[in-house]
Amino acid sequence: EIVLTQSPGTLSLSPGERATLSCRASQSVSSSYLAWYQQKPGQAPRLLIYGASSRATGIPDRFSGSGSGTDFTLTISRLEPEDFAVYYCQQYGSSDTFGQGTKLEIK
Amino acid sequence: QVQLQESGPGLVKPSQTLSLTCTVSGGSISSGSYYWSWIRQPAGKGLEWIGRIYTSGSTNYNPSLKSRVTISVDTSKNQFSLKLSSVTAADTAVYYCARNILTGYSPFYYYYGMDVWGQGTTVTVSS
Repeated sequence: EIVLTQSPGTLSLSPGERATLSCRASQSVSSSYLAWYQQKPGQAPRLLIYGASSRATGIPDRFSGSGSGTDFTLTISRLEPEDFAVYYCQQYGSSDTFGQGTKLEIK
Repeated sequence: QVQLQESGPGLVKPSQTLSLTCTVSGGSISSGSYYWSWIRQPAGKGLEWIGRIYTSGSTNYNPSLKSRVTISVDTSKNQFSLKLSSVTAADTAVYYCARNILTGYSPFYYYYGMDVWGQGTTVTVSS
């Protein structure tokens, strides 16, 4: 089973700043199989990125994904108030797994 | 627009079997590029993948839950279901169902993520 480790656990930033979230896999993951989600309190997760770097429908272009192999990154170029949430990476494989999440909080 | 809705008992006694159903509306559960997953989230914690079922009926499960989990599909009702046996308090969580998109053929698949989620249903295991 592939383990995904996200860092940092909590990221404190201000609106307008740039956020960089990391997802590291215990073994190589195909870029085609890596997705990112946003979850706000009391809501189901929302798909942001698939294929490591492709934005899902309706996702603003301030969200971008990159990476390959074992290291993947979600970047939010300029934080908006509605971006403060928890973010998860996920990989598709013989057994899917999620990272433990990064909480993006207002500084 | 496809929507998913979880349903089932909100309270289950320890050692019993948790049973949930996810109803798919606005589209067919049998569409070839989709498969269907269950995910859970204990209060204040992260997401845990439980398992999935393809339209062919084949399944994959989280190794840590595999001995207790069964996922099935009823195409006539446009539903898929989760059964988790021998539950304990550790199984208390919000349970989500989700649609996944997977295209291509082995080994050249492309995964488009879990693009549609149910709202989630809270299940408490308690006597």
